[in-house]
Amino acid sequence: DAGVIQSPRHEVTEMGQEVTLRCKPISGHNSLFWYRQTMMRGLELLIYFNNNVPIDDSGMPEDRFSAKMPNASFSTLKIQPSEPRDSAVYFCASSLLGQTYEQYFGPGTRLTVT
Amino acid sequence: GQSLEQPSEVTAVEGAIVQINCTYQTSGFYGLSWYQQHDGGAPTFLSYNALDGLEETGRFSSFLSRSDSYGYLLLQELQMKDSASYFCAVGNFNKFYFGSGTKLNVKP
Repeated sequence: DAGVIQSPRHEVTEMGQEVTLRCKPISGHNSLFWYRQTMMRGLELLIYFNNNVPIDDSGMPEDRFSAKMPNASFSTLKIQPSEPRDSAVYFCASSLLGQTYEQYFGPGTRLTVT
Repeated sequence: GQSLEQPSEVTAVEGAIVQINCTYQTSGFYGLSWYQQHDGGAPTFLSYNALDGLEETGRFSSFLSRSDSYGYLLLQELQMKDSASYFCAVGNFNKFYFGSGTKLNVKP
């Protein structure tokens, strides 16, 4: 069975450009998480969906960040406009509903904003 | 908010036993999880304690004491491949928090 799939794996963009990160959760998983990881701030939860509905988006840094989950098998995280401080590894994770303690992470997208 | 504290780094030799502690200041969470992350990789789930006590999975064990707001991950018979970062995490129905991670260095 395929794990969580993320694309792209690497993204290099210039400040001010729009960036869209994509995630396909494990089939049957109804909870989906977006995280950002940096050396300075560690692993931060950005937003959390249950059954495609955002449950907690308090971790989204600012209005430049937005996330959608149009169906159970696809989610996007968009940054517009991007800034150098957004450079990080962005992980998507999924879990069974009610079992968020056991999350399965995708390989991550390494974003560099110059 | 939540606060989880872990040592930043631990060093041990191959074959030894190491304990990574996690203390937290939280309320209303439903258990303590542990994740492993190798350099350049993604976090992977190791264990979960829903109740107080010790859970054993092979060479790894995890412990939780809710009354002490404390848990630990115990790694036995350390192998070189155990060199990684280890994160404790807590959550409730709409929140999830990771600790800052403990980097474990296993030396020959």
